[in-house]
Amino acid sequence: ETGVTQTPRHLVMGMTNKKSLKCEQHLGHNAMYWYKQSAKKPLELMFVYNFKEQTENNSVPSRFSPECPNSSHLFLHLHTLQPEDSALYLCASSQNTEAFFGQGTRLTVV
Amino acid sequence: AQKITQTQPGMFVQEKEAVTLDCTYDTSDQSYGLFWYKQPSSGEMIFLIYQGSYDEQNATEGRYSLNFQKARKSANLVISASQLGDSAMYFCAMREDDTGGFKTIFGAGTRLFVKA
Repeated sequence: ETGVTQTPRHLVMGMTNKKSLKCEQHLGHNAMYWYKQSAKKPLELMFVYNFKEQTENNSVPSRFSPECPNSSHLFLHLHTLQPEDSALYLCASSQNTEAFFGQGTRLTVV
Repeated sequence: AQKITQTQPGMFVQEKEAVTLDCTYDTSDQSYGLFWYKQPSSGEMIFLIYQGSYDEQNATEGRYSLNFQKARKSANLVISASQLGDSAMYFCAMREDDTGGFKTIFGAGTRLFVKA
């Protein structure tokens, strides 16, 4: 248990569905991240939030929409995804040193 | 440009032996941090060890040590006395202290297989 909780752990969604991934940390960290991990690519940084402000968007398609309402919560809203978006989505938080990861959401787009 | 390079997609080691996992990095920052994470088949990312760019001593954490060679921009992970439970993916990562916050980027990973 790292202190970073992601829900749901598994998600299957159709290409026309809208769903959200949730991440929660109570470690008092200032920065939160979304990463995508797929079989064919290295771990990819998607978004960075620092003190609730988005500071990084690594050319992520607009069908992924992050939201950070406060420093403890981070969401990833999904709509009209493609099958190639199927992957493990990892949330992480950090203060000054290492990032702490959640257990991830395994997403399958059908 | 790829900033973290792990050239070994897979490595095999005999139980109880030591193994070195390679990592090279590229940055123009003077201040940065280097990390190693372990990812077992269950998927969670487990932090193993950290080395700051200004740390003169190589970091050690139990059976893990980081062979930090700043001039060569390498940060290899050494696992001593390998155990069967060490079989996992291992990721090298770098945090650059840019003004946008502490962005951590990862290498492609090395899959370690420990043989009995």
